[in-house]
Amino acid sequence: DQQVKQNSPSLSVQEGRISILNCDYTNSMFDYFLWYKKYPAEGPTFLISISSIKDKNEDGRFTVFLNKSAKHLSLHIVPSQPGDSAVYFCAARYAGNNRKLIWGLGTSLAVNP
Amino acid sequence: DSGVTQTPKHLITATGQRVTLRCSPRSGDLSVYWYQQSLDQGLQFLIHYYNGEERAKGNILERFSAQQFPDLHSELNLSSLELGDSALYFCASSGQGSGSPLHFGNGTRLTVT
Repeated sequence: DQQVKQNSPSLSVQEGRISILNCDYTNSMFDYFLWYKKYPAEGPTFLISISSIKDKNEDGRFTVFLNKSAKHLSLHIVPSQPGDSAVYFCAARYAGNNRKLIWGLGTSLAVNP
Repeated sequence: DSGVTQTPKHLITATGQRVTLRCSPRSGDLSVYWYQQSLDQGLQFLIHYYNGEERAKGNILERFSAQQFPDLHSELNLSSLELGDSALYFCASSGQGSGSPLHFGNGTRLTVT
């Protein structure tokens, strides 16, 4: 049972345009959401996060939006660059001491020059 | 460079054997997490250690065990290996802050033949 779902396995966008990666979750006990980027042969790299008490967090070209009522979050990359081509993972963290993360299966983003 | 070091990078072994994967966390990080990524699966949480003590267990098989040593490095032991254990094994570390993200190593690719 996937508690964190990334329904699009892949996404292709043109350089300079906006990339929107989506993530849905089912558990109301998540208190933190994170996005990671992964290049081949490397470990995932932290990109941006958002607390459940916020609805938006921005860091340069990356913005994460959280819609708690819909249990949905999205990562916007503007403008997209070829170097952004990677697999993007959404992760949700349980509130509490162990801070266990539940991961989506990832979305492979290809930014075409 | 995440600061998390995993060795070896690649491991090829036969069914029934036992292997040990090693992880050195980022300097100052007390938490170490182990994850498994199989071909069709996302990142599956295995186990979390904090300052030498086990904090949380995920989908870790009884054939697998882990420990964190006084110098904070961690080892993941996989025994009675099966073909299905072939996967990428990632280690991650994090600081103590509630919003501290995980920092991942580049993984150990285990192939069981």
